[in-house]
Amino acid sequence: GAVVSQHPSWVICKSGTSVKIECRSLDFQATTMFWYRQFPKQSLMLMATSNEGSKATYEQGVEKDKFLINHASLTLSTLTVTSAHPEDSSFYICSASGGEPDTQYFGPGTRLTVL
Amino acid sequence: DAKTTQPNSMESNEEEPVHLPCNHSTISGTDYIHWYRQLPSQGPEYVIHGLTSNVNNRMASLAIAEDRKSSTLILHRATLRDAAVYYCILPLAGGTSYGKLTFGQGTILTVHP
Repeated sequence: GAVVSQHPSWVICKSGTSVKIECRSLDFQATTMFWYRQFPKQSLMLMATSNEGSKATYEQGVEKDKFLINHASLTLSTLTVTSAHPEDSSFYICSASGGEPDTQYFGPGTRLTVL
Repeated sequence: DAKTTQPNSMESNEEEPVHLPCNHSTISGTDYIHWYRQLPSQGPEYVIHGLTSNVNNRMASLAIAEDRKSSTLILHRATLRDAAVYYCILPLAGGTSYGKLTFGQGTILTVHP
């Protein structure tokens, strides 16, 4: 149980385009989903927290107009990187909680490469 | 936020037990202790969590010191698939930060055949 999927697993795009990443909780309802970013050789950095049906809460330094988060249902959250640039290339990971209190279940990650 | 301190790296041999330490001297009475691990090129994986008592599950055991200022993740028989970065985290509790995880650098575990 407690499986979280992400799609796509990897994406390559041109600079200036937008990319949408989906995060789904497959066997439980996720009241809260989190989005992280991880650069090579570094630890995960939390970008934002989203609760179903409400606006996401962004961490300091994360541009909410650039990283659009939608959490429209208890099983789906999306992260859209708008006008992507090479410096946005990173490993984006989502997690979901709700299946068991205080525990987050992570997706496999999406590797974004912006050319 | 209660901070955790872990060794940068540890090594083990296959099929031997591994004890991964974590110090959290500023832990509060309601802070849970969580362990996650991240295999290369994958998202983190929940391992175990506890509050005061020692905990066991199919993956590992968590031994929590009586004063709760430190804990140890125990892998009873390490396998090559246990090679990963292990994170000891105290999730934030309360308000809009509830459940938020702050990842440190973790401990890189190398398992030798």
